[in-house]
Amino acid sequence: EDQVTQSPEALRLQEGESSSLNCSYTVSGLRGLFWYRQDPGKGPEFLFTLYSAGEEKEKERLKATLTKKESFLHITAPKPEDSATYLCAVHTSGSRLTFGEGTQLTVNP
Amino acid sequence: EAGVVQSPRYKIIEKKQPVAFWCNPISGHNTLYWYRQNLGQGPELLIRYENEEAVDDSQLPKDRFSAERLKGVDSTLKIQPAELGDSAVYLCASSLIPGHQETQYFGPGTRLLVL
Repeated sequence: EDQVTQSPEALRLQEGESSSLNCSYTVSGLRGLFWYRQDPGKGPEFLFTLYSAGEEKEKERLKATLTKKESFLHITAPKPEDSATYLCAVHTSGSRLTFGEGTQLTVNP
Repeated sequence: EAGVVQSPRYKIIEKKQPVAFWCNPISGHNTLYWYRQNLGQGPELLIRYENEEAVDDSQLPKDRFSAERLKGVDSTLKIQPAELGDSAVYLCASSLIPGHQETQYFGPGTRLLVL
């Protein structure tokens, strides 16, 4: 059974304090790993897709990396507006996305 | 470009009542998904449509849930009768073409509370 585990469940940072979120996965055949951001009361917003180990993608203060067992979302010098829940999802059979439970990030000014 | 549209945004009903949610995907997107998201958890797929055809409904509780996408554009998800455990956010997503590499874009969701 495909499994996606995100850690930590919650993370509180001071503005400018860099950190990383983890997404570890156990799947029969990874076809893509997705990162989404979800603000309270809104639907998930697409951030990145990673397809193969060693791949990296960047967007503003965010950088996503992928290995054969896990993905990291690195946040450099975060700002309060980066506060959100970050969801990781894997694409396995068909077009089904299997999501983790998310990491709730709070960045204090 | 308009995103995925869902209505209503909020719904409060009593248990055993019926409820329906509507979704209009991004223009031109042939694949449409309905997800359910419980509090503190990630979304879970209920059903996936490719055009008018439901190609993955294995996780849809068919005793009380039904869905349709008659013309291959907008879609309706129905619950009848609703139970307390159905309280959740119901998310609709769409993608341009089916496939494992295709990004899914989500709507804002319908927040359902069953009393």
